[in-house]
Amino acid sequence: SSELTQGPAVSVALGQTVTITCQGDILRVYYASWYQQKPGQAPVLVIYGKNNRPSGIPDRFSGSSSGDTGSLTITGAQAEDEADYYCYCRDSSGDQPRFFGTGTKITVL
Amino acid sequence: QLLQSGGGFVQPGGSLRLSCAASGFSFRNYVFNWVRQAPGKGLEWVAGISAGGARTYYADSVKGQFTISRDNSRNTLYLQMNSLRAEDTAVYYCAQEESSRGYSGSDWVEASWLDPWGQGTLVTVSS
Repeated sequence: SSELTQGPAVSVALGQTVTITCQGDILRVYYASWYQQKPGQAPVLVIYGKNNRPSGIPDRFSGSSSGDTGSLTITGAQAEDEADYYCYCRDSSGDQPRFFGTGTKITVL
Repeated sequence: QLLQSGGGFVQPGGSLRLSCAASGFSFRNYVFNWVRQAPGKGLEWVAGISAGGARTYYADSVKGQFTISRDNSRNTLYLQMNSLRAEDTAVYYCAQEESSRGYSGSDWVEASWLDPWGQGTLVTVSS
């Protein structure tokens, strides 16, 4: 399947840990990357590859993968982490389609 | 940095060309993509183009309707959108793509990611 499925929404208490997932058959072969999007802003890359953070992304963000599921974890969530999060993957075979997950809204309480 | 231009209001059936001007890096060395987001909806990949421009890739939803291209001498990416429909209304983003592949232990693994992104440009298709 070419779909990447994410849960629609999750809430986390300030300072606590939250993990969101992205599920799809393609993730058995490729790592997902993760993007944070705040209202009215362009998406920002937060995790790529096995578990890499771009410069400027806090180390409370981490990624992991197992089977057909990729995960993004925020350890010690901050108010500024409230946003929509999307996973993304590219199939490097054939027409090289790219796929975004359905998105997860994280609310920090 | 990626600076977008060319969005706006267009009637159904009309055409529009988006531009994405790159600066501060070797534009010609990278794959680029267009991604869109309809109002209140999630991100949707639209099209991609290889570094040299010879290979292009499209989502089924825009195949035959949109054309992605690039001018490496001008460090600029384009998206030509024809026969526009109301459902094409969205914010359109350009994004640079990077990728890696190799062995992690005994497993062959591949990854790709989009960074940076343009600021986005709104395309509204309405009569």
